[in-house]
Amino acid sequence: DGGITQSPKYLFRKEGQNVTLSCEQNLNHDAMYWYRQDPGQGLRLIYYSQIVNDFQKGDIAEGYSVSREKKESFPLTVTSAQKNPTAFYLCASSYGVGDNQPQHFGDGTRLSIL
Amino acid sequence: GDSVTQMEGPVTLSEEAFLTINCTYTATGYPSLFWYVQYPGEGLQLLLKATKADDKGSNKGFEATYRKETTSFHLEKGSVQVSDSAVYFCALSFSGGYNKLIFGAGTRLAVHP
Repeated sequence: DGGITQSPKYLFRKEGQNVTLSCEQNLNHDAMYWYRQDPGQGLRLIYYSQIVNDFQKGDIAEGYSVSREKKESFPLTVTSAQKNPTAFYLCASSYGVGDNQPQHFGDGTRLSIL
Repeated sequence: GDSVTQMEGPVTLSEEAFLTINCTYTATGYPSLFWYVQYPGEGLQLLLKATKADDKGSNKGFEATYRKETTSFHLEKGSVQVSDSAVYFCALSFSGGYNKLIFGAGTRLAVHP
């Protein structure tokens, strides 16, 4: 079955450490997204990518970086510059852009600080 | 700016009760509207959507009607089940952009037997 796989499910970061969250999709979607979810809040967009080798900042990109070397993969790195990284991170993908295609989500990665 | 406002939760209901979760939006154009559901420990799943005024989205007994005059997209279900317990998110997006979704804060629903 097609879907989006995020790994790991739980991740712990030490102070000053960069960590990378994995997101893989086999839906043949062009567009991929990263969101951050904090308790009692909606999702906020970190980065998005419309096509391979291209990505754009979302609303809260500071302290994060991404790459899009393959259509199927969109890893997110939480850098040491992100001072409050504890959150639930969700990856999503969709067909194309500009035509309100619904986004499909992975099951998320919960990041905590040691 | 564009935004989505949902009623605060938690909403607590008995099984077979009628559900309404209110959602209103502020937008400069004519967005598409969505309801997503998040079960504990999981990602979001699309529940239903509507792309223009007066459209009704429906799925799994849930429905919502796009009301342009009241800028609303309230979620309803006639008879809830314990398995409907989850967090429900209302969201909007615009065509011509990059499919950016703007989410409400979410409403937690708890259904007890």
